[in-house]
Amino acid sequence: GEDVEQSLFLSVREGDSSVINCTYTDSSSTYLYWYKQEPGAGLQLLTYIFSNMDMKQDQRLTVLLNKKDKHLSLRIADTQTGDSAIYFCAAYLFTSGTYKYIFGTGTRLKVLA
Amino acid sequence: EAGVAQSPRYKIIEKRQSVAFWCNPISGHATLYWYQQILGQGPKLLIQFQNNGVVDDSQLPKDRFSAERLKGVDSTLKIQPAKLEDSAVYLCASSLWQEETQYFGPGTRLLVL
Repeated sequence: GEDVEQSLFLSVREGDSSVINCTYTDSSSTYLYWYKQEPGAGLQLLTYIFSNMDMKQDQRLTVLLNKKDKHLSLRIADTQTGDSAIYFCAAYLFTSGTYKYIFGTGTRLKVLA
Repeated sequence: EAGVAQSPRYKIIEKRQSVAFWCNPISGHATLYWYQQILGQGPKLLIQFQNNGVVDDSQLPKDRFSAERLKGVDSTLKIQPAKLEDSAVYLCASSLWQEETQYFGPGTRLLVL
């Protein structure tokens, strides 16, 4: 079956690094995404990684993919108070004849000043 | 480039009433998605359109929910009659094509009393 799991909460101090983890079950995932959701807003695409990559860096964001363990992580360097939000991991896969996004439950990041 | 537009942003109705949501995707995007996001959960796909055809509606409660995208551009999602458990944020997203990155609108927050 298709499932994406995340821890529910993470609290860090401003200036520290944050690491948000995600595990997924379906090995047919082609793309893996990270979205950010601020209160009252839709989902904002942060970054994505193709399943044949191990790492992708984009400014303060680093995505690591361990295909063997089906583990994805998002590292935010020099975390700021504006990074406080809910972060969703999503796996994009081809199943039952169509492409489909499967979202995790989201990790609420709280950045302490 | 304008993003995905949704209206209304908020709606409060009583159970057994009807409600409709509207979405205008990014210009040129062939694929349109409707998601339901219940508080504390990740988005769940309700229906996916490719142009004006339905690709996936396996998780749409068809006894009360309906959606259309008649001209392959904007779309409406209707609930009739609403139940208390329909209280959620309804997110619309679009992508250039099925396997391309999704972009989300701000969502419509529905409260059913």
